[in-house]
Amino acid sequence: KNQVEQSPQSLIILEGKNCTLQCNYTVSPFSNLRWYKQDTGRGPVSLTIMTFSENTKSNGRYTATLDADTKQSSLHITASQLSDSASYICVVSGAGEYGNKLVFGAGTILRVKS
Amino acid sequence: DTEVTQTPKHLVMGMTNKKSLKCEQHMGHRAMYWYKQKAKKPPELMFVYSYEKLSINESVPSRFSPECPNSSLLNLHLHALQPEDSALYLCASSQGNIGRGVEQYFGPGTRLTVT
Repeated sequence: KNQVEQSPQSLIILEGKNCTLQCNYTVSPFSNLRWYKQDTGRGPVSLTIMTFSENTKSNGRYTATLDADTKQSSLHITASQLSDSASYICVVSGAGEYGNKLVFGAGTILRVKS
Repeated sequence: DTEVTQTPKHLVMGMTNKKSLKCEQHMGHRAMYWYKQKAKKPPELMFVYSYEKLSINESVPSRFSPECPNSSLLNLHLHALQPEDSALYLCASSQGNIGRGVEQYFGPGTRLTVT
């Protein structure tokens, strides 16, 4: 069964600190992996998209890594800000018949406090 | 312009009402999507339109009826909903097949409450 699992479920950090969120997936055949940030009651906003051949991709203070062999990804946030408080969702797209389908993880709720 | 707009932002409807959700994008995207998201859960795919034709229906109950009148507009018609249908309804669009790594842009959502 195609699944995406994220850890931790929730995380509280102090402003200015770094953190790393994890994503493990079993989606096969694999096409690409995305990280989204979703503020409460709003639509998800794309942070990064990585395909099979990409190991690292950055977007400002967000750096995503992908190990396609172990089917693991991480999202590292540096120098956290209060505005980083949100749900971070890992989403994997399957190739072939899965076409336009995305398999969503349950998300990690991040709270940054001052 | 990378914006997907949705109206209304909030909707409260009774179980016997008929209402519609509207989604619009002007990015020239040919794929449009409806998702349903319950609180503290990830979005669940409902429908996909590709080139204005319904390409994916995730076994959604017939009380939800999608419509794509043109390449920029996507509607979701609602009729005889149940209280458990209360959720955030998200619209999204993409230039092409997201299985190939293209960006998918989400709208802000419509918060639906069924009473």
